[in-house]
Amino acid sequence: AQTVTQSQPEMSVQEAETVTLSCTYDTSESDYYLFWYKQPPSRQMILVIRQEAYKQQNATENRFSVNFQKAAKSFSLKISDSQLGDAAMYFCAYPSNFGNEKLTFGTGTRLTIIP
Amino acid sequence: DTGVSQDPRHKITKRGQNVTFRCDPISEHNRLYWYRQTLGQGPEFLTYFQNEAQLEKSRLLSDRFSAERPKGSFSTLEIQRTEQGDSAMYLCASSPRPTSLSETQYFGPGTRLLVL
Repeated sequence: AQTVTQSQPEMSVQEAETVTLSCTYDTSESDYYLFWYKQPPSRQMILVIRQEAYKQQNATENRFSVNFQKAAKSFSLKISDSQLGDAAMYFCAYPSNFGNEKLTFGTGTRLTIIP
Repeated sequence: DTGVSQDPRHKITKRGQNVTFRCDPISEHNRLYWYRQTLGQGPEFLTYFQNEAQLEKSRLLSDRFSAERPKGSFSTLEIQRTEQGDSAMYLCASSPRPTSLSETQYFGPGTRLLVL
């Protein structure tokens, strides 16, 4: 069974600084996607960024970027210039089946932004 | 608002009662998912529809749980004879017909269930 591991239950960062959230996963597939989702307090989950495994280039969305290491099965999220609105639970997710059925989520990292 | 909507947002019920939740996906999204999220955990997959067909059910979905998507649009999730262990956030997500290896799932705000 595929697993997704987030080893940092909580992280904190000073406003305007950079923070990296880690995620490792296990799969036997060669082509797949990986996702980072953000869940602010009492608000719905939204996609932050996604990575295609067969692409060598790491995905970037404004202040958010990933460090994808396929051989190590590692998929970390870097948030640059942290803002108060970045405070949330962050979940790494992997679609367990070919074709985006049933996302498997990690246990999440709670990110606190220190003003 | 064209996002995924869920109703109700909160539900408090007594053990043994039946509850039903509704999810309206983004228009024209043919895939709809239900997940359950307990406190401090990531969401766990429950079931998945493509149009009106229920294609997969998790082992988490006991016989007391049933989900439908009768016309391929909105979906309902019913829990019969609720137990305290059913207390959780129930999330619905939808995604379009895949044009690539994987499409993004868009989540609703969830229904928070508390069973007393």
